[in-house]
Parts: sequence; structure tokens; C-alpha cells
Amino acid sequence: DGGITQSPKYLFRKEGQNVTLSCEQNLNHDAMYWYRQDPGQGLRLIYYSQIVNDFQKGDIAEGYSVSREKKESFPLTVTSAQKNPTAFYLCASSIGGLYTDTQYFGPGTRLTVL
Amino acid sequence: AQSVTQLDSQVPVFEEAPVELRCNYSSSVSVYLFWYVQYPNQGLQLLLKYLSGSTLVESINGFEAEFNKSQTSFHLRKPSVHISDTAEYFCAVSDQGAQKLVFGQGTRLTINP
Repeated sequence: DGGITQSPKYLFRKEGQNVTLSCEQNLNHDAMYWYRQDPGQGLRLIYYSQIVNDFQKGDIAEGYSVSREKKESFPLTVTSAQKNPTAFYLCASSIGGLYTDTQYFGPGTRLTVL
Repeated sequence: AQSVTQLDSQVPVFEEAPVELRCNYSSSVSVYLFWYVQYPNQGLQLLLKYLSGSTLVESINGFEAEFNKSQTSFHLRKPSVHISDTAEYFCAVSDQGAQKLVFGQGTRLTINP
């Protein structure tokens, strides 16, 4: 079955540690996205990539980094520079990067900083 | 910059009652509108979208939304809700200028038996 997988489902980290969230898709989509979801704030775009080896900052990129070395993979690293990293992180993909394209979402990773 | 406002953070209704979830967006020349649904502890799924053509769009599970350009709204409605509709609903808008989706804050729909 085609889809988007995110791992792990739950992640705990100590303050000052970097952590990497995995996102893989087998939909053959060109574009991939990372969002952060906080209660009452909807989804906010962290980074997006419209093609392999290229990515752009979204609205809240500070304290995060990404890579896009393969079409199917778009890992997100939450660095120690992110002041408030506890949140639900959602990865998405779309067939292209057009504003009309439907985005398909993974099940999410809930990150808790202890 | 494009923005989306969902006027209600929570909407409680009784089973089999009608429901309307409100969504307003900031005006733009050409906008494209989406409703996504998020069931508990899951990612988002597309419910329906308006790109062009008929201003009334429908989903397969009985929801519908109407694009109203003069009122810059895209409200979501269902004439009779079921317990399984319990979820959080997000309105989103994109336009050619922004080249990205902008989401509203979400509306949590709770169905009471």
C-alpha cells in the first residue's frame, strides 16, 4: 500500500539533545513538507522540499534542519537551538509543489522534551 | 499574507443534528480552499477541496462546503452527524502567490449521543 510513514510515533528527549524524526513516502511524490502542530494553533510549516537536493524554510524554521538526499525520504532534525520543541510533528507529501495539489499526511510523531 | 480564521475552536452537537463549521480567509485574487479532518492521534486526511467550477463541493461521507467569494468564506456543513464524525477539522487556503498551504487553527467537533 502506498503512503507516508513516520517514526517513531512517540519520542522523548532530554534538553540539549538533537533528535531526528523520520519521514518516508512511497507515493512517488516530488514535494514533501514538515509541519508542527500545537493545540489551538493549527499547523505551521517548518520546511518544504519540491525536489531532491533542494528545500526551503517555512514559517518557523529556526532550530530545525532537514535534508532531501532521496526522493522518498525527508528527515527532520530538531536541534537544541529549538526553544520549545515539545509538539506533534506531521510530515506530508504532494505529487508536485503546486498550490492546488492535495497534500497527504503521515500519522505524526509526538515529541516530548523532558 | 494569506490567513485563515476558523471562528469556533470547539463545536459540540448531538448525534443526527446538523452542523456547520465556519471558515473565513483573507481575500486574494485566486484562492484554492481545502478542508482536512484529523481523527484522534492521526495525521490529516483531505475531506474536500475547491479549485474552480461549482462553488458547492461534496465529500463522500456527507459533508459539503460552499465557496462564497463575496463573504470570503468556505463553511463546512453536514445535515446529520454521526459519532464517527468526532474529529478536528482544519480549513486551509493556498494561492499562486504564497505557493503553500495556510491552515486555520482547527475546530474540534464533538458528537454527543
